[in-house]
Amino acid sequence: DQQVKQNSPSLSVQEGRISILNCDYTNSMFDYFLWYKKYPAEGPTFLISISSIKDKNEDGRFTVFLNKSAKHLSLHIVPSQPGDSAVYFCAASPYTGTASKLTFGTGTRLQVTL
Amino acid sequence: DGGITQSPKYLFRKEGQNVTLSCEQNLNHDAMYWYRQDPGQGLRLIYYSQIVNDFQKGDIAEGYSVSREKKESFPLTVTSAQKNPTAFYLCASRGGITEAFFGQGTRLTVV
Repeated sequence: DQQVKQNSPSLSVQEGRISILNCDYTNSMFDYFLWYKKYPAEGPTFLISISSIKDKNEDGRFTVFLNKSAKHLSLHIVPSQPGDSAVYFCAASPYTGTASKLTFGTGTRLQVTL
Repeated sequence: DGGITQSPKYLFRKEGQNVTLSCEQNLNHDAMYWYRQDPGQGLRLIYYSQIVNDFQKGDIAEGYSVSREKKESFPLTVTSAQKNPTAFYLCASRGGITEAFFGQGTRLTVV
């Protein structure tokens, strides 16, 4: 049972354009969401997060949007750069007040072309 | 400087052997996690621990065991019962409802 889904395994975007990566979840107990970037043979690095009390969070070129009613979140990267080429994972956890189970999606490979 | 360290980076296991992957953190985080990544797949949770001397099974715990005797350490043993252990293993720690920090991973290969 895949509770966090990234339905697009890959995405190709031209340098300078917007990259939009999508993520859907099924567990209504999830209310804290994160995006990670991963290069091959390395650990993921944290990009940005959002809690369910917000519908948008922005950090530089990265913006995460959350639509709770649709159980959907998206990561926007503007403008896209060649160094953004990597696999992006979304993750979700319940907000229990203490550290808790963190569930990841299957990832989307982003390629930014020149 | 603070961080999370996994060792070794590469590990080879013979059929039928148990092997232990090390994960150490000096971030003073309560929670620690073990994930497995297979080629072209996402991160699947093996075990996680929210506090010393306590841990819970994740989604694919069969064939694995863990211990959490110290806050800083969360070793993962891949037992002979794990039928397909070749994968990239990632350890993470988390200090609350915040981001998790990952180690650099251990690539385990069965020879």
